[in-house]
Amino acid sequence: AQTVTQSQPEMSVQEAETVTLSCTYDTSESDYYLFWYKQPPSRQMILVIRQEAYKQQNATENRFSVNFQKAAKSFSLKISDSQLGDAAMYFCAYWDGGSQGNLIFGKGTKLSVKP
Amino acid sequence: SQTIHQWPATLVQPVGSPLSLECTVEGTSNPNLYWYRQAAGRGLQLLFYSVGIGQISSEVPQNLSASRPQDRQFILSSKKLLLSDSGFYLCAWATSTGELFFGEGSRLTVL
Repeated sequence: AQTVTQSQPEMSVQEAETVTLSCTYDTSESDYYLFWYKQPPSRQMILVIRQEAYKQQNATENRFSVNFQKAAKSFSLKISDSQLGDAAMYFCAYWDGGSQGNLIFGKGTKLSVKP
Repeated sequence: SQTIHQWPATLVQPVGSPLSLECTVEGTSNPNLYWYRQAAGRGLQLLFYSVGIGQISSEVPQNLSASRPQDRQFILSSKKLLLSDSGFYLCAWATSTGELFFGEGSRLTVL
């Protein structure tokens, strides 16, 4: 069965600096999708970034980028120039591309941003 | 554009009482719909998903049930709540590429 592990329950970063959140996963599939979701204190979960496993190029969305290491089954999220609004729970998620679209989520990393 | 709403936002219920959480989606047709439960420190757990009207799949055995009476309506129910049903419930719909869009969430406290 696929699993997603986020080994850092909490992280802290100084405003304007860079932070990396870790995620590892376990799967026997060769094609799949990976996501990072953000859940701010307001609680509505939003998608931050996605990565298709067949793409070697790391996905980037403005200040957010990923380091996708397929062989190592690692999918870390880098947040550059951290802002106070980046403070949130971050969830890593895996999808095997099945029709039902069931995502498997990690337990999350709580990110604090210090002014 | 697509929007998703769920209600109520907060609910406090006694043990043994019934439950009904409702979720509606606008701006898309025949969406795949999901109910997740989020417990502190345990991430998100998929409870139910639906690929169409009247089609419900359950991922975990539990005290809850789901129904989809209309294309864009998804309901989470219980006949008799347990203390362990307390949590934060999220409704979501999925795009064809697996991206989930979530509702605002419903905080359920069972006393």
